Amino acid sequence: QSALTQPRSVSGSPGQSVTISCTGASRDVGGYNYVSWYQQHPGKAPKLIIYDVTKRPSGVPDRFSGSKSGNTASLTISGLQAEDEADYHCCSYAGSYTLVFGGGTKLTVL
Amino acid sequence: QVQLQESGPGLVKPSETLSLTCTVSGGSISSYYWSWIRQPPGKGLEYIGYIYYTGSTKYNPSLKSRVTISADTSENHFSLKLSSVTAADTAVYYCASTYGDYVKFDYWGQGTLVTVSS
Repeated sequence: QSALTQPRSVSGSPGQSVTISCTGASRDVGGYNYVSWYQQHPGKAPKLIIYDVTKRPSGVPDRFSGSKSGNTASLTISGLQAEDEADYHCCSYAGSYTLVFGGGTKLTVL
Repeated sequence: QVQLQESGPGLVKPSETLSLTCTVSGGSISSYYWSWIRQPPGKGLEYIGYIYYTGSTKYNPSLKSRVTISADTSENHFSLKLSSVTAADTAVYYCASTYGDYVKFDYWGQGTLVTVSS
């Protein structure tokens, strides 16, 4: 069971948009619409921001959006704010009642 | 709002068994999936497994031979046991939960660092 592939880091200026990719395979990302994304500030627990590829939990700003094409899922953050600086983790259902995470992406707001 | 709190030893010797408990407050353990996830220092998250309130469990295949997750509904807590630990098991361990499905994690504990060292 291989981890999903995310870029180690991305960056953007306040007000800009950034996209974080999450690449898997047909056995996980490509095979199911169960991709979720988590935001993690330093020393804190992860927080769910996107689930089922595109859905946002209550309270998550609509600046955060998710999508998927083939075996790659993406998280887009528009109108970047300083508080968005954090690590972002993707997660996908991988069949047989198990889940696989990506390695995490550090977002820097310049 | 469900709140979760991990507890257990912060230091475990190699070859011994790591044991952690997650105490649930603000909601009943029923109808939720209760999971464990870990994060080695400076690395990404790794799924360990879950227990449903009925007692059904599923584990990450890579850890399955060493993991046991159990629940005590009367005490509103669930537990993780990981046997034969090595330094590679050093990580922050999180408990998490979701109502109604196991493909995402709505609520998280604050995490507890477990170091494996003699």
